[in-house]
Parts: sequence; C-alpha cells; structure tokens
Amino acid sequence: QDRLVQSASELKNPGASVQISCRASRNTFSGYYVHWVRQAPGPGLQWMGSLSPSGQPTAFADLFQGRVAMTRDASARTMYLQLSSLTFEDTALYFCARGGFNYADLWGQGTLLTVSS
Amino acid sequence: DIQMTQSPSSLSASVGDRVSITCRASQSIGASVNWYQQKVGKAPQVLVYAASSLQRGVPSRFSGTGSGTGFTLTINNLQPEDFATYFCQQGHTVPYTFGQGTKVEMK
Repeated sequence: QDRLVQSASELKNPGASVQISCRASRNTFSGYYVHWVRQAPGPGLQWMGSLSPSGQPTAFADLFQGRVAMTRDASARTMYLQLSSLTFEDTALYFCARGGFNYADLWGQGTLLTVSS
Repeated sequence: DIQMTQSPSSLSASVGDRVSITCRASQSIGASVNWYQQKVGKAPQVLVYAASSLQRGVPSRFSGTGSGTGFTLTINNLQPEDFATYFCQQGHTVPYTFGQGTKVEMK
C-alpha cells in the first residue's frame, strides 16, 4: 500500500524560509493532483494550493500568494512545499495529500513547523 | 472565499447511535463536498466525496447527502472506532475551504 512520507519537524525564525518534502513510498504522483493543507488550532484546516498531474501549480490560496512554491522532482516521486517570509502565524502542521483535483484520498503523516524567535 | 459552517462543533453519543453532522455552504456548490475523519495525531482520511460517494474501503454505515448549500454526513450504528473529529470540505471553488470540525465524543 502506498504511503506519503513527509520530512521531519522544522523550527524556524520569523522571516526565514522552509522547505517540506513529501515522498511517495511505492508509486509516483503521476496521474494525481497533490494538495498541501495545513492545520493550526485557530484557523483549523487550510488548503494552501495544489499541483496538477503534470506538475504545474493549479492554484494557491490568496493567503500564501507570493511566498509559496510547490514543485516536484523529475521522477515525480517527491513533492516540495516552500514557504518564505515566515511569521508566527505559520506555525502549524503541514500535510501533503494526493488525490483528485478537489479532494485527497492519501495523506502524509504531517510535518510540524514551528516559527519562533 | 466560500464559507463552510459545520454543526454541531461537538456531540456526545453512544455505541450503536445514529449521528448526523451538517455543513452549510455560503453559496451554492452543487455536490462538491467531501467529508473527512481525523483521529488524534493522525492525518484526515476521506470518507465521502462528491457529497454522496463512499470512498473505497469506508464502511457502509457512513453516508453523505445534500446538494446546493446544505450537506449532511450520517453515521449509522456508531462504532468505537468512529469517535473522532469530522470535517466537511468544499471542492467547488478555490481556495477549497473546510468546516471547523465536529468532535464526536463518547457519552
């Protein structure tokens, strides 16, 4: 059974950037959309954006425009989320998830990002 | 952004009960609603997609109904493993937005 394995927790200072990875354990991401979703106590679950099966960004939430990038490696086995200009409000659990264009049926285990000075 | 208002925020129930959770969209979204279950320390798992389609492998005691602006997730014959938090999500318009969640607790 395929799994999505995410990178380890991160501790960053305000203003810094972070890269989180998400690797498919068996198959690739080919043919699937990949979504990034974060979860924080206040806002709850927030959809950040997604990549199409061809690896092109389909959309980003306005909240992250200009400081988020979603990419994948050439083998389409690993996806990356880059988030820059971090603030305390970016402290959250970040999930990658694979599925259709508007839903996800396979999720990573989550990567905790803590932004603290 | 489309707002998804989920209710109740929590409920207490017993094994064997029938439980219903509702989600109301701030505008009509057709059948573009998905329902997820999340257990403590775990990632969400999709239960129902496109309002009423049961995800493969999900027990048939879960069902989803609704269209337009009103949607319901029903759990029949609640089982011990069903005590969790449930979220609706609209997939009609980006940014895809989630409800605030319903925590189903043991009575």
